[in-house]
Amino acid sequence: NAGVTQTPKFRVLKTGQSMTLLCAQDMNHEYMYWYRQDPGMGLRLIHYSVGEGTTAKGEVPDGYNVSRLKKQNFLLGLESAAPSQTSVYFCASSKGLLADFGPGTRLTVT
Amino acid sequence: AQSVAQPEDQVNVAEGNPLTVKCTYSVSGNPYLFWYVQYPNRGLQFLLKYITGDNLVKGSYGFEAEFNKSQTSFHLKKPSALVSDSALYFCAEKAAGNKLTFGGGTRVLVKP
Repeated sequence: NAGVTQTPKFRVLKTGQSMTLLCAQDMNHEYMYWYRQDPGMGLRLIHYSVGEGTTAKGEVPDGYNVSRLKKQNFLLGLESAAPSQTSVYFCASSKGLLADFGPGTRLTVT
Repeated sequence: AQSVAQPEDQVNVAEGNPLTVKCTYSVSGNPYLFWYVQYPNRGLQFLLKYITGDNLVKGSYGFEAEFNKSQTSFHLKKPSALVSDSALYFCAEKAAGNKLTFGGGTRVLVKP
């Protein structure tokens, strides 16, 4: 049981490049979330999903897209990266009230 | 709109002294409230939750939290802090749609 895993762990992008962050969970959880963590701002919800094939916007969705084609995977895409998207990204999943978090992806956009 | 506030960016405490980390929430009705801890370069770990019932909730590593509906607060406490408790602590609330919303975080520094 690997829990929640995130790929990659680190990435450096140039402005305008695109990339996809992968989140995978093996706990059969219905709900999955993407957050970004910035100093002094806590974790802010980007997008979330309440089940396979469904996604919804969170607090800071602009500049990001997501897909949940399979129940166990939740992808976060940056179509054209900007320096403001430099952050640590956390994925989480939950079935009931408790959420399990991945280890994070540190993304730097230069 | 829901929001979670942690009014202190940092809390400094001497080892062995009581530790309190403050949190206030704004969701109406019966909130689901949580505390998570983050150690350096790690993901978030669950500490404790309040769903219903007793206002004093006990969690992992000797932590507890007191739910106060009249003050809309959910402060985290530990009677005797350890140096190893130094970390970043987040309060969170869960509302309709299963959205989990976090406060800004409070850094705890426990000095020997």
